[in-house]
Amino acid sequence: QTVVTQEPSFSVSPGGTVTLTCGLSSGSVSTSYYPSWYHQTPGQAPRTLIYSTNTRSSGVPDRFSGSILGNKAALTITGAQADDESDYYCVLYMGSAISLFGGGTKLTVL
Amino acid sequence: EVQLLESGGGLVQPGGSVRLSCAASGFTFSSSAVSWVRQAPGKGLEWVSTVNDVGHATFYADSVKGRFTISRDNYKNTLYLQMDSLRVEDTALYFCAKDRWDCSGGNCYRVMFDYWGQGTLVTVSS
Repeated sequence: QTVVTQEPSFSVSPGGTVTLTCGLSSGSVSTSYYPSWYHQTPGQAPRTLIYSTNTRSSGVPDRFSGSILGNKAALTITGAQADDESDYYCVLYMGSAISLFGGGTKLTVL
Repeated sequence: EVQLLESGGGLVQPGGSVRLSCAASGFTFSSSAVSWVRQAPGKGLEWVSTVNDVGHATFYADSVKGRFTISRDNYKNTLYLQMDSLRVEDTALYFCAKDRWDCSGGNCYRVMFDYWGQGTLVTVSS
Protein backbone atom coordinates (compact mmCIF):
# COMPACT_ATOMS: atom_id res chain seq x y z
CA GLN A 1 0.00 0.00 0.00
CA THR A 2 1.42 3.34 -1.05
CA VAL A 3 1.79 5.96 1.65
CA VAL A 4 2.50 9.66 1.21
CA THR A 5 4.99 10.78 3.84
CA GLN A 6 5.35 14.17 5.51
CA GLU A 7 7.24 15.38 8.56
CA PRO A 8 4.81 15.16 11.52
CA SER A 9 5.96 18.50 12.85
CA PHE A 10 8.30 21.37 12.11
CA SER A 11 9.24 24.58 13.79
CA VAL A 12 10.37 27.88 12.29
CA SER A 13 11.28 31.25 13.76
CA PRO A 14 9.34 34.34 12.71
CA GLY A 15 10.95 35.70 9.55
CA GLY A 16 12.71 32.42 8.90
CA THR A 17 12.51 29.96 6.03
CA VAL A 18 11.21 26.42 6.25
CA THR A 19 10.88 23.64 3.69
CA LEU A 20 8.29 20.91 4.19
CA THR A 21 8.59 17.76 2.13
CA CYS A 22 6.26 15.17 0.64
CA GLY A 23 7.53 11.74 -0.28
CA LEU A 24 6.35 8.29 -1.25
CA SER A 25 6.82 5.12 0.78
CA SER A 26 8.10 3.53 -2.39
CA GLY A 27 9.46 5.47 -5.30
CA SER A 28 10.10 9.12 -6.06
CA VAL A 29 7.71 12.03 -6.34
CA SER A 30 7.82 13.77 -9.70
CA THR A 31 5.77 16.41 -11.45
CA SER A 32 3.71 13.57 -12.91
CA TYR A 33 2.01 13.23 -9.53
CA TYR A 34 0.82 16.87 -9.77
CA PRO A 35 1.69 17.61 -6.15
CA SER A 36 -0.57 20.09 -4.42
CA TRP A 37 -0.36 21.68 -0.97
CA TYR A 38 -3.08 22.79 1.44
CA HIS A 39 -3.10 24.42 4.81
CA GLN A 40 -5.70 24.00 7.51
CA THR A 41 -6.18 25.74 10.82
CA PRO A 42 -8.26 24.04 13.56
CA GLY A 43 -11.97 24.04 12.86
CA GLN A 44 -11.53 25.36 9.34
CA ALA A 45 -11.72 23.83 5.89
CA PRO A 46 -8.44 23.28 4.04
CA ARG A 47 -7.29 25.98 1.63
CA THR A 48 -5.20 25.43 -1.47
CA LEU A 49 -1.72 26.92 -1.53
CA ILE A 50 0.10 25.27 -4.43
CA TYR A 51 -0.95 22.99 -7.28
CA SER A 52 0.80 21.27 -10.17
CA THR A 53 4.03 21.26 -8.17
CA ASN A 54 4.73 25.00 -8.19
CA THR A 55 1.67 27.07 -9.20
CA ARG A 56 0.32 29.30 -6.47
CA SER A 57 -3.41 29.31 -6.01
CA SER A 58 -5.24 32.61 -6.39
CA GLY A 59 -4.42 35.05 -3.60
CA VAL A 60 -1.55 33.04 -2.12
CA PRO A 61 1.45 35.27 -1.36
CA ASP A 62 4.75 34.60 -3.08
CA ARG A 63 6.27 33.68 0.28
CA PHE A 64 4.92 30.23 -0.53
CA SER A 65 6.61 28.23 -3.27
CA GLY A 66 6.54 24.64 -4.45
CA SER A 67 9.19 22.51 -6.07
CA ILE A 68 10.64 19.03 -6.47
CA LEU A 69 13.71 18.53 -4.27
CA GLY A 70 15.47 15.28 -4.96
CA ASN A 71 12.83 12.57 -4.81
CA LYS A 72 10.22 14.59 -2.93
CA ALA A 73 7.82 17.46 -3.47
CA ALA A 74 8.59 20.47 -1.32
CA LEU A 75 6.77 23.50 0.06
CA THR A 76 9.00 26.39 1.06
CA ILE A 77 7.78 29.25 3.21
CA THR A 78 10.06 32.29 3.33
CA GLY A 79 9.66 35.07 5.86
CA ALA A 80 7.43 32.94 8.09
CA GLN A 81 4.69 34.80 9.93
CA ALA A 82 2.76 33.93 13.04
CA ASP A 83 -0.39 33.19 11.08
CA ASP A 84 1.48 30.60 9.00
CA GLU A 85 1.15 28.36 12.04
CA SER A 86 -1.09 25.65 10.66
CA ASP A 87 -1.32 22.06 9.48
CA TYR A 88 0.05 21.55 5.97
CA TYR A 89 -1.01 18.67 3.74
CA CYS A 90 0.39 17.52 0.45
CA VAL A 91 -1.64 15.56 -2.06
CA LEU A 92 -0.41 13.40 -4.90
CA TYR A 93 -2.54 12.37 -7.86
CA MET A 94 -2.18 8.60 -8.36
CA GLY A 95 -4.37 8.19 -11.44
CA SER A 96 -7.91 6.81 -11.83
CA ALA A 97 -9.25 9.82 -9.91
CA ILE A 98 -7.40 8.70 -6.77
CA SER A 99 -5.61 11.37 -4.75
CA LEU A 100 -3.53 10.40 -1.74
CA PHE A 101 -3.08 12.84 1.13
CA GLY A 102 0.01 12.91 3.27
CA GLY A 103 -0.40 12.67 7.02
CA GLY A 104 0.17 16.40 7.40
CA THR A 105 2.85 18.56 9.01
CA LYS A 106 2.06 20.67 12.03
CA LEU A 107 4.04 23.88 11.62
CA THR A 108 4.84 25.94 14.67
CA VAL A 109 6.12 29.50 14.35
CA LEU A 110 8.05 30.52 17.44
CA GLU B 1 -18.42 33.47 -4.88
CA VAL B 2 -18.12 29.69 -4.80
CA GLN B 3 -19.99 28.12 -1.90
CA LEU B 4 -20.30 24.50 -0.86
CA LEU B 5 -22.64 23.73 2.01
CA GLU B 6 -22.73 20.24 3.48
CA SER B 7 -25.57 18.80 5.53
CA GLY B 8 -26.94 15.48 6.76
CA GLY B 9 -24.36 14.49 9.34
CA GLY B 10 -25.21 13.21 12.79
CA LEU B 11 -25.00 10.26 15.13
CA VAL B 12 -25.62 6.85 13.60
CA GLN B 13 -25.21 3.34 14.94
CA PRO B 14 -22.69 0.89 13.51
CA GLY B 15 -24.22 -0.86 10.53
CA GLY B 16 -26.55 2.06 9.91
CA SER B 17 -26.92 4.46 7.01
CA VAL B 18 -26.86 8.18 6.40
CA ARG B 19 -27.01 10.40 3.33
CA LEU B 20 -24.92 13.54 3.09
CA SER B 21 -25.76 16.45 0.80
CA CYS B 22 -23.66 19.30 -0.52
CA ALA B 23 -25.40 22.32 -2.04
CA ALA B 24 -23.19 24.15 -4.53
CA SER B 25 -23.39 27.70 -5.83
CA GLY B 26 -21.22 30.32 -7.48
CA PHE B 27 -19.91 28.14 -10.31
CA THR B 28 -21.24 25.98 -13.13
CA PHE B 29 -21.88 22.85 -11.09
CA SER B 30 -22.73 20.70 -14.10
CA SER B 31 -19.27 21.34 -15.59
CA SER B 32 -17.23 20.28 -12.57
CA ALA B 33 -16.22 17.02 -11.01
CA VAL B 34 -16.78 17.06 -7.26
CA SER B 35 -15.46 14.97 -4.41
CA TRP B 36 -15.89 14.01 -0.78
CA VAL B 37 -12.88 14.20 1.53
CA ARG B 38 -13.04 13.22 5.20
CA GLN B 39 -11.08 13.90 8.35
CA ALA B 40 -11.32 11.70 11.41
CA PRO B 41 -11.11 13.59 14.73
CA GLY B 42 -7.54 14.76 15.28
CA LYS B 43 -6.35 13.01 12.13
CA GLY B 44 -5.39 13.91 8.58
CA LEU B 45 -7.41 14.23 5.40
CA GLU B 46 -8.52 11.27 3.29
CA TRP B 47 -9.98 11.34 -0.20
CA VAL B 48 -13.22 9.33 -0.20
CA SER B 49 -14.99 9.57 -3.54
CA THR B 50 -15.35 11.55 -6.78
CA VAL B 51 -18.07 11.87 -9.40
CA ASN B 52 -17.50 13.35 -12.82
CA ASP B 53 -19.40 16.32 -14.19
CA VAL B 54 -22.35 14.43 -15.68
CA GLY B 55 -22.49 11.81 -12.94
CA HIS B 56 -21.70 8.80 -15.10
CA ALA B 57 -18.27 8.03 -13.68
CA THR B 58 -17.71 7.42 -9.97
CA PHE B 59 -14.56 6.58 -8.03
CA TYR B 60 -14.03 5.39 -4.46
CA ALA B 61 -11.27 4.85 -1.96
CA ASP B 62 -10.78 1.19 -1.11
CA SER B 63 -11.85 1.92 2.48
CA VAL B 64 -15.40 2.77 1.40
CA LYS B 65 -15.84 0.85 -1.84
CA GLY B 66 -19.03 -1.20 -1.84
CA ARG B 67 -20.49 0.69 1.14
CA PHE B 68 -20.67 4.33 -0.04
CA THR B 69 -22.38 5.68 -3.16
CA ILE B 70 -21.68 9.10 -4.61
CA SER B 71 -24.21 10.81 -6.86
CA ARG B 72 -25.24 14.24 -8.03
CA ASP B 73 -28.28 16.15 -9.23
CA ASN B 74 -27.18 18.82 -11.69
CA TYR B 75 -30.67 20.36 -11.75
CA LYS B 76 -30.49 20.94 -8.00
CA ASN B 77 -26.74 21.75 -7.98
CA THR B 78 -26.34 19.16 -5.24
CA LEU B 79 -23.84 16.41 -4.50
CA TYR B 80 -24.73 13.39 -2.37
CA LEU B 81 -22.97 10.65 -0.47
CA GLN B 82 -25.05 7.64 0.56
CA MET B 83 -23.19 5.90 3.37
CA ASP B 84 -24.30 2.34 4.25
CA SER B 85 -22.92 -0.38 6.54
CA LEU B 86 -21.25 2.32 8.59
CA ARG B 87 -18.33 1.45 10.86
CA VAL B 88 -16.88 3.22 13.88
CA GLU B 89 -13.85 4.10 11.77
CA ASP B 90 -16.07 6.09 9.38
CA THR B 91 -16.49 8.71 12.11
CA ALA B 92 -15.20 11.92 10.56
CA LEU B 93 -15.88 15.42 9.34
CA TYR B 94 -16.94 15.02 5.71
CA PHE B 95 -15.97 17.82 3.33
CA CYS B 96 -17.41 18.43 -0.09
CA ALA B 97 -14.76 19.74 -2.51
CA LYS B 98 -14.78 21.02 -6.06
CA ASP B 99 -12.20 19.41 -8.29
CA ARG B 100 -10.02 21.13 -10.82
CA TRP B 101 -8.87 18.87 -13.62
CA ASP B 102 -6.51 19.55 -16.50
CA CYS B 103 -6.14 17.47 -19.65
CA SER B 104 -3.14 17.01 -21.89
CA GLY B 105 -2.46 14.57 -24.69
CA GLY B 106 -5.70 12.75 -24.09
CA ASN B 107 -5.03 12.21 -20.41
CA CYS B 108 -6.77 14.08 -17.62
CA TYR B 109 -5.62 14.50 -14.06
CA ARG B 110 -6.81 16.26 -10.92
CA VAL B 111 -4.54 19.18 -10.18
CA MET B 112 -6.27 20.25 -6.98
CA PHE B 113 -9.36 20.51 -4.86
CA ASP B 114 -9.88 24.22 -5.39
CA TYR B 115 -12.88 24.96 -3.17
CA TRP B 116 -14.04 23.28 0.03
CA GLY B 117 -17.12 23.35 2.18
CA GLN B 118 -16.99 23.61 5.96
CA GLY B 119 -17.86 19.97 6.48
CA THR B 120 -20.55 17.92 8.20
CA LEU B 121 -19.75 15.59 11.10
CA VAL B 122 -20.72 11.93 11.00
CA THR B 123 -20.33 10.04 14.26
CA VAL B 124 -20.73 6.26 14.18
CA SER B 125 -21.25 4.95 17.68
CA SER B 126 -23.54 2.70 19.67
